[in-house]
Amino acid sequence: ILNVEQSPQSLHVQEGDSTNFTCSFPSSNFYALHWYRWETAKSPEALFVMTLNGDEKKKGRISATLNTKEGYSYLYIKGSQPEDSATYLCAFIRMRFGAGTRLTVKP
Amino acid sequence: KAGVTQTPRYLIKTRGQQVTLSCSPISGHRSVSWYQQTPGQGLQFLFEYFSETQRNKGNFPGRFSGRQFSNSRSEMNVSTLELGDSALYLCASSLDRGHNEQFFGPGTRLTVL
Repeated sequence: ILNVEQSPQSLHVQEGDSTNFTCSFPSSNFYALHWYRWETAKSPEALFVMTLNGDEKKKGRISATLNTKEGYSYLYIKGSQPEDSATYLCAFIRMRFGAGTRLTVKP
Repeated sequence: KAGVTQTPRYLIKTRGQQVTLSCSPISGHRSVSWYQQTPGQGLQFLFEYFSETQRNKGNFPGRFSGRQFSNSRSEMNVSTLELGDSALYLCASSLDRGHNEQFFGPGTRLTVL
């Protein structure tokens, strides 16, 4: 994988559902993987910086895991709320961004 | 602690003109990066400055340039504007280089007519 790829491109879930999405990145020369949340009309907000294979980080209902050997990271949201509606971006080596997963949580 | 500020927030220019955008990082942050977002595209990296030196550059033509001052404030300049330069330009600051988290400003929305 030469580029950073995120899937799915968009996701619609009901309030209370748990969901997850994927970020795939080049597995060679790994340095760091960043996750951001970008709400409409706001600035991207940093969620996690992940550096070690097997890393698992958590912030409230949101958590992320990292597999540097196979080149992927998962972002999980437990019990989605309408305020979780945003685009979730991952960035490889901080500056190479994926296109994002747009999450919409319906009340 | 004040966040990252960008000026102006909105700008309308015509083709062929040039534009300068400004970014003031969070106090104490020494690294500033610039990104472009166009409709349908993710964030595209423009360049990174640290200690007044450009450290990394993305795949953009030479019409895009930047600089950083001794107080870490940064400017980016786009010369000979083209319609395709219409975009949201974001700057982000971080304490240092490496894998420190970035803090983004609100962006400058540039429209080229």
